[in-house]
Amino acid sequence: QVQLVESGGGVVQPGRSLRLSCAASGLTFSSYAMHWVRQAPGKGLEWVAVIWYDGTNKYYADSVKGRFTISRDNSKNTLFLQMNSLRAEDTAVYYCARDLYRGYDMGTVEYWGQGTLVTVSS
Amino acid sequence: EIVLTQSPATLSLSPGERATLSCRASQSVSSYLAWYQQKPGQTPRLLIYDASNRATGIPARFTGSGSGTDFTLTISSLEPEDFAVYYCQHRSNWPWTFGQGTKVEIK
Repeated sequence: QVQLVESGGGVVQPGRSLRLSCAASGLTFSSYAMHWVRQAPGKGLEWVAVIWYDGTNKYYADSVKGRFTISRDNSKNTLFLQMNSLRAEDTAVYYCARDLYRGYDMGTVEYWGQGTLVTVSS
Repeated sequence: EIVLTQSPATLSLSPGERATLSCRASQSVSSYLAWYQQKPGQTPRLLIYDASNRATGIPARFTGSGSGTDFTLTISSLEPEDFAVYYCQHRSNWPWTFGQGTKVEIK
């Protein structure tokens, strides 16, 4: 079965960096767009970033553009999120997620990881 | 950015009743709309994609409808496990966004 396992979360001071990883198994990782979606405590869902199945294109939410970088290693079935210049408002559970569709048709999440909590606090 | 507005914010119903959840988009999203269910402490689960297609393993009591700017998720007869928060989400153009959620609670 499909498994997405995030790691790398924790407590970090404002202005510092953190790198999240997501190990995927049970799926043809390289055929699907992958996403990071976050959820602040007690709040709703916010799309953070998406990367095309082949890594050729990436989109970011305005709230993280210029600070976060999504990347993937298809040879290792792993997704990453490099988060720099972290702010208190970045505090959230970060979910790694796989798209429903193969290829370039994307934008619906079929599988979600369990999430990793990032807390930005001094 | 397309804004999705869900109503009502909270729906208080009893098991066996019909639930009707609304999602309105600030501009047309065609049929590029999905619905997710999230229970406390759990990850979201895809229910409906592209407005009216049930995801794998989703019971037939969940029905999605609509196109353009107005969408509805109907749960024909609430089961105890259906009490949760429901989010709509569009993929018409970036940035994809979620609605703020509708909580379906036990009356």
